[in-house]
Amino acid sequence: DADVTQTPRNRITKTGKRIMLECSQTKGHDRMYWYRQDPGLGLRLIYYSFDVKDINKGEISDGYSVSRQAQAKFSLSLESAIPNQTALYFCATSVTGERNEQFFGPGTRLTVL
Amino acid sequence: LAKTTQPISMDSYEGQEVNITCSHNNIATNDYITWYQQFPSQGPRFIIQGYKTKVTNEVASLFIPADRKSSTLSLPRVSLSDTAVYYCLVGGLDNAGNMLTFGGGTRLMVKP
Repeated sequence: DADVTQTPRNRITKTGKRIMLECSQTKGHDRMYWYRQDPGLGLRLIYYSFDVKDINKGEISDGYSVSRQAQAKFSLSLESAIPNQTALYFCATSVTGERNEQFFGPGTRLTVL
Repeated sequence: LAKTTQPISMDSYEGQEVNITCSHNNIATNDYITWYQQFPSQGPRFIIQGYKTKVTNEVASLFIPADRKSSTLSLPRVSLSDTAVYYCLVGGLDNAGNMLTFGGGTRLMVKP
């Protein structure tokens, strides 16, 4: 969905480096999410935020942190990247009360060497 | 939390109707059933959502029996472009718990 953008789209980095993935949305949604997807598997939730002051851990939050700088921005950080964090990362948004349909960004393909 | 079980994969041919069933034996009273579609290297896309009986939109139908312990996504007359992974999610509209759990999904392959 073009209303949800992610930067960068691709990133190759080395073990131990700090990496930030950014997500922006123009949909005016209050809820934002970060997921990771490994090849051939489903999506797993890393963190989610229901509004600017709300941050919640998901299924696999270890090794990650997030920041909700504004309603429209939600960034994901890998403090010290490791090879098993190589994956496709998706940001998503939804609005409270409207069937909670999630709108996904195009994804960021991250490779940690 | 309601856990969902779906077939790992299914094959079909163009023009056929495809039915994908999802089991959710522990569904709670306030839970809804939502299906997403995902193409390779893209984020999932919402297809349909329901609470009970039958829901139909321009893309699919969702059949939910009275006990709500399962649901069936029906895709009429599939085409090659329907080749994708389909996810069944169950949870409350507050997005807590399993509404955010995608699981492995069902990989549908449509053949010519």
